Amino acid sequence: QVQLQQWGAGLLKPSETLSLTCAVYGGSFSGYYWTWIRQPPGKGLEWIGEIDHSGSSNYNPSLKSRITISVDTSKKQFSLKLNSVTAADTAVFYCGRGRVSGEIDLWGRGTLVTVSS
Amino acid sequence: DIVLTQSPATLSLSPGERATLSCRASQSISSSLAWYQQKPGQAPRLLIYGTSNRATDIPPRFSGSGSGTDFTLTISSLEPEDFALYYCQQRNPWPHFGPGTKVEIK
Repeated sequence: QVQLQQWGAGLLKPSETLSLTCAVYGGSFSGYYWTWIRQPPGKGLEWIGEIDHSGSSNYNPSLKSRITISVDTSKKQFSLKLNSVTAADTAVFYCGRGRVSGEIDLWGRGTLVTVSS
Repeated sequence: DIVLTQSPATLSLSPGERATLSCRASQSISSSLAWYQQKPGQAPRLLIYGTSNRATDIPPRFSGSGSGTDFTLTISSLEPEDFALYYCQQRNPWPHFGPGTKVEIK
């Protein structure tokens, strides 16, 4: 059974860099879009970006200037960095497995990241 | 970008009743519409993909339909565990989610 396990710092100060990693256990690492999504408290889902096993990435234009998504195929892991965070970046961040057909069929459990001085 | 609108925002129903959730796109999309269920404190779970295909282990009371700009998720007879938030999502050119419909107990 394929699982995603994610981790990273949960409390940041304004202007710091958010850093999260997601590991894929079981299943193939190729043929999918490895995805980051966030959800501010009480709000909806926002796609952040994605990367495939070759390192080809796509980012949400509204966040593109602050995002880096990277992949380590040897470890079957992918990572998110979001720099210059503000309180508006406070959210639960999810990693996910996106299929070519468009849907995200597997989700990590989520990491609450709080930005506060 | 294609914008997804969901209606109603909240649906108040009793167990056993039929739930009909709507997702409308700002322009015509392909069949790559998906639906997710999210319960408090949990990650979303894929219910439907490709407009009408149930994901693994999703019971048959969940069904999806639609084309063009109008899509529907139907829950034929609500079970207690179905009261949750539901999101639609499409990928054109990247994943976009609708704002969600909350199905609550009446």
